[in-house]
Amino acid sequence: SQKIEQNSEALNIQEGKTATLTCNYTNYSPAYLQWYRQDPGRGPVFLLLIRENEKEKRKERLKVTFDTTLKQSLFHITASQPADSATYLCALERDDKIIFGKGTRLHILP
Amino acid sequence: DAGITQSPRYKITETGRQVTLMCHQTWSHSYMFWYRQDLGHGLRLIYYSAAADITDKGEVPDGYVVSRSKTENFPLTLESATRSQTSVYFCASIPQGGGSNIQYFGAGTRLSVL
Repeated sequence: SQKIEQNSEALNIQEGKTATLTCNYTNYSPAYLQWYRQDPGRGPVFLLLIRENEKEKRKERLKVTFDTTLKQSLFHITASQPADSATYLCALERDDKIIFGKGTRLHILP
Repeated sequence: DAGITQSPRYKITETGRQVTLMCHQTWSHSYMFWYRQDLGHGLRLIYYSAAADITDKGEVPDGYVVSRSKTENFPLTLESATRSQTSVYFCASIPQGGGSNIQYFGAGTRLSVL
């Protein structure tokens, strides 16, 4: 079955630097890979989606890459701010089935 | 624009009691989902529904019952709550199947079973 691996340990990044989060998966390549943000006590909120035939997607300070050979997606936040502190989830979709990773907690240190 | 709302936000109950968690969406989305989120497990799908009167099991359906008599409502019932069902429950919806299915989540219900 498909498995998703995200860094289980929290990631601490200095304000202003680029934060890079990793999402690795096994088995089949998803048709779509999504990234969500989740704040404490709230539901996940969609950030970005990248398709299997796309290498990179950008939205403001966010960038997602998708490497189907490595079976990996990287999520970058440039010029990070304390307000970017949250848990970030990746999700894989294929054939209408969506599987979520466990998420990585990101702390941006002022 | 209320979106997707869950109630209650917090619930404490006792082992063996029946509990119903409510989910309501105002977008007329076809698909709705129930997840539970636990430390070390992430989000796990309990049940989903493709339309009114159509429901299907997810990864962890045991001990739960769902119904969908109206498109906008998707209640989740724990028929006889157990301590292992202590969790945070999220409802989500998507406009339709196929394509890029961005999920819209509710704020969650934190359930404690004593």
